[in-house]
Amino acid sequence: DVQMTQSPSTLSAFVGGRVIITCRASQNINNYLAWYQQKPGKAPKLLIHKTSFLKSGVPSRFSGSGSGTEFTLAISSLQPDDFATYYCQQYNIYPLTFGGGTKVEMK
Amino acid sequence: QVQLQESGPGLVRPSETLSLTCSVSGVSVQAFYYNWVRQSADKGLEWIGRIDSSETIRYNPSLKSRITLSLDMSKNQVSLSLNYVTAADTAVYYCVRDWGSLAPLDIWGQGLLVTVSS
Repeated sequence: DVQMTQSPSTLSAFVGGRVIITCRASQNINNYLAWYQQKPGKAPKLLIHKTSFLKSGVPSRFSGSGSGTEFTLAISSLQPDDFATYYCQQYNIYPLTFGGGTKVEMK
Repeated sequence: QVQLQESGPGLVRPSETLSLTCSVSGVSVQAFYYNWVRQSADKGLEWIGRIDSSETIRYNPSLKSRITLSLDMSKNQVSLSLNYVTAADTAVYYCVRDWGSLAPLDIWGQGLLVTVSS
């Protein structure tokens, strides 16, 4: 299985701040990397697919980048609605696998 | 608007079979691909398997021996059975759509908490 490692597991930031979350795959996943946002008691929501493509309706303050095995999710100008847990996921190889999550907390 | 809704028992006894249904609305179940994903505090998000309208099925090897996936086009539903459950199978179970080969999980059901306990 492809192991997905996210860091950090938790981060604190101010409203208006910028955060970067890193996701590392244990092997090349050909950029088939997605990011999801999850709020307590809710299902994850797709934000970004194929490393950098925003799902329709996702604010442009979210961006994704990377290649091969190293990927990042950046959120510029954090809004109150952005405080949540973020997961990366590879869909290049079965079984599909997820990172352990990064909780973004308000400072 | 496409919606997925999981249903089934919230409590299953150890060694018994967990059976869940995902009702799909807003689109024919034949048009897309359907996954089951579960989430627990211990294991995080774990992909269980995927089925399409041709009944091509992909399984997580860690669960393959215990899983059955099926699709009922007449009811527009997808189903999951997981047998010989243990406490480690306690999780929120999600039905999730994808749009094809090498596609992300784009639409999620609200999830259903299933607890395995006697």
